[in-house]
Amino acid sequence: AQSVTQLDSHVSVSEGTPVLLRCNYSSSYSPSLFWYVQHPNKGLQLLLKYTSAATLVKGINGFEAEFKKSETSFHLTKPSAHMSDAAEYFCVVSDPNSGNTPLVFGKGTRLSVIA
Amino acid sequence: DTGVSQDPRHKITKRGQNVTFRCDPISEHNRLYWYRQTLGQGPEFLTYFQNEAQLEKSRLLSDRFSAERPKGSFSTLEIQRTEQGDSAMYLCASSVSGGPSEQFFGPGTRLTVL
Repeated sequence: AQSVTQLDSHVSVSEGTPVLLRCNYSSSYSPSLFWYVQHPNKGLQLLLKYTSAATLVKGINGFEAEFKKSETSFHLTKPSAHMSDAAEYFCVVSDPNSGNTPLVFGKGTRLSVIA
Repeated sequence: DTGVSQDPRHKITKRGQNVTFRCDPISEHNRLYWYRQTLGQGPEFLTYFQNEAQLEKSRLLSDRFSAERPKGSFSTLEIQRTEQGDSAMYLCASSVSGGPSEQFFGPGTRLTVL
C-alpha cells in the first residue's frame, strides 16, 4: 500500500519569501512521486514529477522538489513566492510498475501568499 | 481547447435521484480515470479505463455507481439513488498508456445532493 502525508494543511508566506511545502511518503517499492497544484475553479495541473532519475526535480513556475529516500520525503520548494502561487498543492505517489495507476493523493496544503 | 472537458460543471439534485456525468478526454489519450474529491481532502481514485475496457475499480465505487466508456472515447459516470454523502467534486483525467505518463485533469463536476 502507498500513502502520502502532507505535514501542513495551510502555509502562509509573504510575497518574495521562500516556500516550503512538506510531504512524506510510504511505499513498499520505489515510487513515482508528483506535485499537483489546484487553483480555484481550475483543473489539477502537474507541477513536477520524480520517476527514479535525478533526485532533484525542477518543475514549472520555479518550483522544485528533492527526493530523499532515507527520509522518505519529497518536499516542494520555491525560492521566492508570487501572489499567483496561492492555491492548493497536492503531493501524490504511485507505483511505476502499474503504469502509475492509481494516483494516491495527500490531503493537500493550502498556500496563502501575503502581499 | 484540447484539454479534458467535463459536463455539467455543477449539478444539484435531490436525494434518491439518479445523475450522470460526462467526460471527454484528450483525443489521443487511451486511458481515462475518474476520481472523487470531498471538501478538505485530496482526490480519491474511483476507476479507470484503457480504451473501452474498465481495468480497475476502487472499493469506493459502490454498486450505485457505474462507469462506461463504450467506444473508447468519452466516458459517463452514473450514480443511482443519490445520497447526501455523494456530494463531492467528480474529477476526470486522461493519459496515454505506458511509462510514467502524466494524467491531465478536467475542471470537475461539483455534485450537491440535497
